[in-house]
Amino acid sequence: ETGVTQTPRHLVMGMTNKKSLKCEQHLGHNAMYWYKQSAKKPLELMFVYSLEERVENNSVPSRFSPECPNSSHLFLHLHTLQPEDSALYLCASSQDGSSGGELFFGEGSRLTVL
Amino acid sequence: TQLLEQSPQFLSIQEGENLTVYCNSSSVFSSLQWYRQEPGEGPVLLVTVVTGGEVKKLKRLTFQFGDARKDSSLHITAAQPGDTGLYLCAGDEGLVKTSYDKVIFGPGTSLSVIP
Repeated sequence: ETGVTQTPRHLVMGMTNKKSLKCEQHLGHNAMYWYKQSAKKPLELMFVYSLEERVENNSVPSRFSPECPNSSHLFLHLHTLQPEDSALYLCASSQDGSSGGELFFGEGSRLTVL
Repeated sequence: TQLLEQSPQFLSIQEGENLTVYCNSSSVFSSLQWYRQEPGEGPVLLVTVVTGGEVKKLKRLTFQFGDARKDSSLHITAAQPGDTGLYLCAGDEGLVKTSYDKVIFGPGTSLSVIP
């Protein structure tokens, strides 16, 4: 139990569906992250929110839309995805920029796009 | 853009053997982390090293940060099946203080310890 909870753990969707991934952290952290983990690729940073403001958006296609309503919750809205978007999506949190890169990850949401 | 490389990519050993995995970069990092990820789970932080030349021990795991803060190694003594997993090194790019952690990850070393 890392204090970061992701739902759903598994998701199968068609290319025309709209779905959302949810992340909640119980650690009192100020920064939250979405990472994508594909086979044979390093973890790719997608979005970073610090104090509920988006501070990083690493050239992610617009079919991925993040939302951070408060410092404890983070969503990733999915729309018109492609099969190559199938991956493990990981949410993480950290205290702030002073923790020296120590991230706390959720268990991930395994997404399959048909 | 800073990059982290890890070697070997895959490692399969017998229980009781020793092993070392490596993490290298051409760039300097303010700190470096090692994570372990088991199948179907998220990465779990094992250790952070900050000072060049630093050595940290966690039971049978020994972590070392290179003097120039560009590389690191993880040595496991008497490996056990419970050590099986993907070992990821990660570096904090944040040489300038920010309100979040700018972390990049290496591709990982997949370790399998056979009973």
